[in-house]
Amino acid sequence: TQLLEQSPQFLSIQEGENLTVYCNSSSVFSSLQWYRQEPGEGPVLLVTVVTGGEVKKLKRLTFQFGDARKDSSLHITAAQPGDTGLYLCAGVRTGANNLFFGTGTRLTVIP
Amino acid sequence: EPEVTQTPSHQVTQMGQEVILRCVPISNHLYFYWYRQILGQKVEFLVSFYNNEISEKSEIFDDQFSVERPDGSNFTLKIRSTKLEDSAMYFCASSEWSRYTEAFFGQGTRLTVV
Repeated sequence: TQLLEQSPQFLSIQEGENLTVYCNSSSVFSSLQWYRQEPGEGPVLLVTVVTGGEVKKLKRLTFQFGDARKDSSLHITAAQPGDTGLYLCAGVRTGANNLFFGTGTRLTVIP
Repeated sequence: EPEVTQTPSHQVTQMGQEVILRCVPISNHLYFYWYRQILGQKVEFLVSFYNNEISEKSEIFDDQFSVERPDGSNFTLKIRSTKLEDSAMYFCASSEWSRYTEAFFGQGTRLTVV
């Protein structure tokens, strides 16, 4: 079983559309990070959420941490081709100090 | 902007050989990590390191693996006797403090065992 399940696995949308990516678990996390990874490169940190119910906005990206700190979502408004990439959620379990990565969502935005 | 740097970017080695992957974490960071990503699979935690000792390790990090901080700047991962299944991207990461483990990753070393 996967500790962090992301859905969908693959997403292909037209430029200008909105989308939401989900990151779900049965475990509670003290914090959760979202990363974006380009082929052949390391994950690049986008945001960290630490409080249940927290919402953070980064331009057209909105991140939410679930009230119970078991799940998170990433919403992109008016997607652009530059948003294409692999989006990873990664959580830190209470008492641990390492990241468990999700299964990833590969987003393709078609011009 | 400070960044984590890794060398080499690509390493090809014969099965059974020892390899050392090198990382220079961000200078004021205290926690260091190694992760790996087998092609097409998710990023997996190997080991975390704090105050000159291993803090946590996964089941992947067996006796063939070791980490070291030989000086004030470098952080290394050694694989003693490489196997074909060790072929992967290896990422070093560092974080300023552990509470939220907001980790910053290097560009990775692609290890190919032949």
